[in-house]
Amino acid sequence: GENVEQHPSTLSVQEGDSAVIKCTYSDSASNYFPWYKQELGKRPQLIIDIRSNVGEKKDQRIAVTLNKTAKHFSLHITETQPEDSAVYFCAADRFMKTSYDKVIFGPGTSLSVIP
Amino acid sequence: DAGVIQSPRHEVTEMGQEVTLRCKPISGHDYLFWYRQTMMRGLELLIYFNNNVPIDDSGMPEDRFSAKMPNASFSTLKIQPSEPRDSAVYFCASSLAQWRRSAFFGQGTRLTVV
Repeated sequence: GENVEQHPSTLSVQEGDSAVIKCTYSDSASNYFPWYKQELGKRPQLIIDIRSNVGEKKDQRIAVTLNKTAKHFSLHITETQPEDSAVYFCAADRFMKTSYDKVIFGPGTSLSVIP
Repeated sequence: DAGVIQSPRHEVTEMGQEVTLRCKPISGHDYLFWYRQTMMRGLELLIYFNNNVPIDDSGMPEDRFSAKMPNASFSTLKIQPSEPRDSAVYFCASSLAQWRRSAFFGQGTRLTVV
């Protein structure tokens, strides 16, 4: 079946450095790729998403890149801050205009930003 | 808007008991999702509804699990009978397809079956 792999599973960076998390997906029909941030004991929250017709998207310190040919996408966080410490989940979804297909989540990356 | 509201926040029950989790989606959203999160299996989609109709329940683990959405503002996830391996955090999420955005999650219900 379809799956999403995510690497690394844990990541520690110094405050101010960049962090990169990579995901690969198997379903070539996937066309929507959201990223969620989940702080300890809290709900997942959407932080950025990208559609398959776009190669890159940026929102302040966060950017996502997508390589459809290779079926992988990455989250880039620049100038990391301690409040960026959380578990980050990628997901791959087939999103049509009026329907969803089954979204598959990656296993998560635990990011620690060391002050 | 208060966002997606789930109740209870925490539930501790004995094995064999019936458990009902509740969710109120964001007003106007036409999609509702139930997820389960565990350390072992991560985040899993159990079932989702569109306009109160169940669309895909292939993620529901067993017949002991059932979900309903009697109206646009309320959904339940029921486990009967509950087992210790059902212990997890259950999230409800909702979204509006026309926004072409992903789902907004509730705070979750932490279920412990002893």
